[in-house]
Amino acid sequence: QVQLVESGGGVVQPGRSLRLSCTASGFTFTAYPMHWVRQAPGKGLEWLAVLSHDGNTYYYADSVKGRFTISRDNSKNTLYLHINTLRPEDTAVYYCARGGVPSVTIDSWGQGAPVTVSS
Amino acid sequence: QSALTQPASVSGSPGQSITISCTGTSSDVGGYDYVSWFQQHPGKAPELMIYEVTNRPSGVPDRFSGSKSANTASLTISGLQAEDEADYYCSSYTHSNTWVFGGGTKVTVL
Repeated sequence: QVQLVESGGGVVQPGRSLRLSCTASGFTFTAYPMHWVRQAPGKGLEWLAVLSHDGNTYYYADSVKGRFTISRDNSKNTLYLHINTLRPEDTAVYYCARGGVPSVTIDSWGQGAPVTVSS
Repeated sequence: QSALTQPASVSGSPGQSITISCTGTSSDVGGYDYVSWFQQHPGKAPELMIYEVTNRPSGVPDRFSGSKSANTASLTISGLQAEDEADYYCSSYTHSNTWVFGGGTKVTVL
């Protein structure tokens, strides 16, 4: 079955950088686009970014463009999210999610990695 | 990329039907048949319930159904059950090749 396991979260000081990882198993990782979505405490879901199956095409939400970078290593079945210059408002649970193929949707989610930005 | 508009809360008694609306624009909901609905229980990851407006993934009960008219999509839960109490989010693909979520609707089973 599809498994997505995020790691790399924790407590980080404002202004620092962070890299989240998402290790995939149970499906052919190289065939699927992948997304990052976050959820601030007590708030709704916020879509962040999507990366094509081959890593060549990516799109970001305007709110994170220029500060967040999505990437993948298909040889390691791993998706990444690099966040620069962390702000307190980046405090959230960060979810890795699989894009649908051929359907246009997000069809599977990881359990989430909590990130707290605080001094 | 403004969030889609959902009611903050909807409630119903067991066995009743409820409908959650999701309003966007012609650049997202109205422009594509790529609306999805997700269910999220407290402390859990979201789960896909409906994709491409009307399609149910395998394993999702048929009491969940979706529809769309112009810029508004809807999720209907028929025969409401206690385990349906959760937060529900709509999402849509957009003309910018991005995705956008609704603000979420808390469903309460009375």
